[in-house]
Amino acid sequence: GQNIDQPTEMTATEGAIVQINCTYQTSGFNGLFWYQQHAGEAPTFLSYNVLDGLEEKGRFSSFLSRSKGYSYLLLKELQMKDSASYLCAPLNNAGNMLTFGGGTRLMVKP
Amino acid sequence: NAGVMQNPRHLVRRRGQEARLRCSPMKGHSHVYWYRQLPEEGLKFMVYLQKENIIDESGMPKERFSAEFPKEGPSILRIQQVVRGDSAAYFCASSRSPSGANVLTFGAGSRLTVL
Repeated sequence: GQNIDQPTEMTATEGAIVQINCTYQTSGFNGLFWYQQHAGEAPTFLSYNVLDGLEEKGRFSSFLSRSKGYSYLLLKELQMKDSASYLCAPLNNAGNMLTFGGGTRLMVKP
Repeated sequence: NAGVMQNPRHLVRRRGQEARLRCSPMKGHSHVYWYRQLPEEGLKFMVYLQKENIIDESGMPKERFSAEFPKEGPSILRIQQVVRGDSAAYFCASSRSPSGANVLTFGAGSRLTVL
């Protein structure tokens, strides 16, 4: 089975940096995804890590440590539009199923 | 590319009625996934289908729920004899292949309200 843990809520200030952590325990692992979901909308793909280390993509970066079962999403230069839920999702061994964590609701304040 | 299309976007049913939710995957995608999201909660996997086959339905309740993805037409998630606890957003996602960097593209969801 899969067990995924991420904080329920976080608050940060516009222009700041925020790190959203995710720990997971899975019976098989084939990479980890981060998705962003604005309230009432569809989740949208942010990043995919399959190897250890940091992947940078503009203001967003994602880190993975497979040995520790740990990932984080780093958001820089926060904007109000970054207020959303951020979903951590490990991919199973067969590579055909994503299991989502409960999501972290980020509120960006002026 | 129209993306993943779901309809209806909103559906209201009374207890005991049937709900049918449709999902047309992105062009070129033959893998479809259904997820359920309760208010203030994460996405829960329900079922994974390829054309005419159910690959994994481990997340789907054994009773009242069924899913299909026929050779022609959209995938359908069917909920019979709905109860209030079925009220949720149902998201469909599709992908081109199941392996590797399996980036799922999600539809906008169908929001079911059971009165």
